[in-house]
Amino acid sequence: SQELEQSPQSLIVQEGKNLTINCTSSKTLYGLYWYKQKYGEGLIFLMMLQKGGEEKSHEKITAKLDEKKQQSSLHITASQPSHAGIYLCGASDDYKLSFGAGTTVTVRA
Amino acid sequence: DTGVSQNPRHKITKRGQNVTFRCDPISEHNRLYWYRQTLGQGPEFLTYFQNEAQLEKSRLLSDRFSAERPKGSFSTLEIQRTEQGDSAMYLCASSDTGGTYGYTFGSGTRLTVV
Repeated sequence: SQELEQSPQSLIVQEGKNLTINCTSSKTLYGLYWYKQKYGEGLIFLMMLQKGGEEKSHEKITAKLDEKKQQSSLHITASQPSHAGIYLCGASDDYKLSFGAGTTVTVRA
Repeated sequence: DTGVSQNPRHKITKRGQNVTFRCDPISEHNRLYWYRQTLGQGPEFLTYFQNEAQLEKSRLLSDRFSAERPKGSFSTLEIQRTEQGDSAMYLCASSDTGGTYGYTFGSGTRLTVV
């Protein structure tokens, strides 16, 4: 099965600063999904990447899938308190998603 | 469409009792998934359905767990003789075939076994 490693495990960022989260796979990625989760709640879909080199942006969040298709990064520009939460990457693994352990983001005012 | 709906949101039960959770997927989605998530971990796959057929069960799913999806609509996940180790968030997701347009998750059911 596909194994995903996320780094860092957690980070604290000053409001207004940028941050980057990485997701590295043990296998070639054929579909990479980023989700956000508030503590105790469900997963909110952010973005899906399918092609090597693909980059997508939504508001202040940008995600990339590298050319070799084994790593993805999520970048947040000018972080806000609303960006706080747990960010999870999920990879298509046959018919289902396999997830990393998540990165907890804390935004300090 | 109101997305994926899960009930109840929270469940506290005594060890040894049986519990049942319900998931109502997005109506156009033919695939339905159950995941379990514990604190500090990502969701772990439990089982999935394509329409009414249960096509895969994880080795994590002990004999005490059973899932159904009658008529390919809503699904139920039952845990018999609950144990404290069953305490977790149980998440349901649905997708079209192949997850072409993503996987939509519900808000989850948080189970606490005391």
